[in-house]
Amino acid sequence: AQKVTQAQTEISVVEKEDVTLDCVYETRDTTYYLFWYKQPPSGELVFLIRRNSFDEQNEISGRYSWNFQKSTSSFNFTITASQVVDSAVYFCALSEATLGSSNTGKLIFGQGTTLQVKP
Amino acid sequence: NAGVTQTPKFQVLKTGQSMTLQCAQDMNHEYMSWYRQDPGMGLRLIHYSVGAGITDQGEVPNGYNVSRSTTEDFPLRLLSAAPSQTSVYFCASSYSRARGPGNEQFFGPGTRLTVL
Repeated sequence: AQKVTQAQTEISVVEKEDVTLDCVYETRDTTYYLFWYKQPPSGELVFLIRRNSFDEQNEISGRYSWNFQKSTSSFNFTITASQVVDSAVYFCALSEATLGSSNTGKLIFGQGTTLQVKP
Repeated sequence: NAGVTQTPKFQVLKTGQSMTLQCAQDMNHEYMSWYRQDPGMGLRLIHYSVGAGITDQGEVPNGYNVSRSTTEDFPLRLLSAAPSQTSVYFCASSYSRARGPGNEQFFGPGTRLTVL
């Protein structure tokens, strides 16, 4: 069965600290996709990144970086020099490339990590 | 483009009432889906559709019904509301795998439903 685990329920840091959000996934598929979404206090879901299972290169986008390691089934997200505006719930999600005979694009979400950045 | 739109934004129902949550997208996406978000549980898939006329159940389908008569619309019906259905509901859409695997899902703003 496919599963995504975000073991950190809540994290609290002081502004300018670096913080890493952990994501561990389980899948039997060899081809799959991993995502991170941000949910700010306003409630909408904001897409941050998509990574496919064949691309293990780390990615950096401004203060955000992602570390994908297939060997440990992890897709961790690091925010460097955190800011108050980073306060949000962050979700890691897994999308299967195939599901039986149908490709559905269904997302399996982790429980979410609430990040609070204090000034 | 309006993206994915959902109505209403807030709704309060009494136990046993029925209602329909509306979802529409103007991006010509084949895939549409409904998720519910509950504290500590992330988002869970209720129903999804891979195209007009095709729907299937997700992880938590009981008590909900869907239909997809057009590419643009994917309404979610609560047949007889129960307090356990108090949640935030998100509709999402994306292109099909045929256009590119792992496509980003675009989410609507959500509907906050309370069942008393």
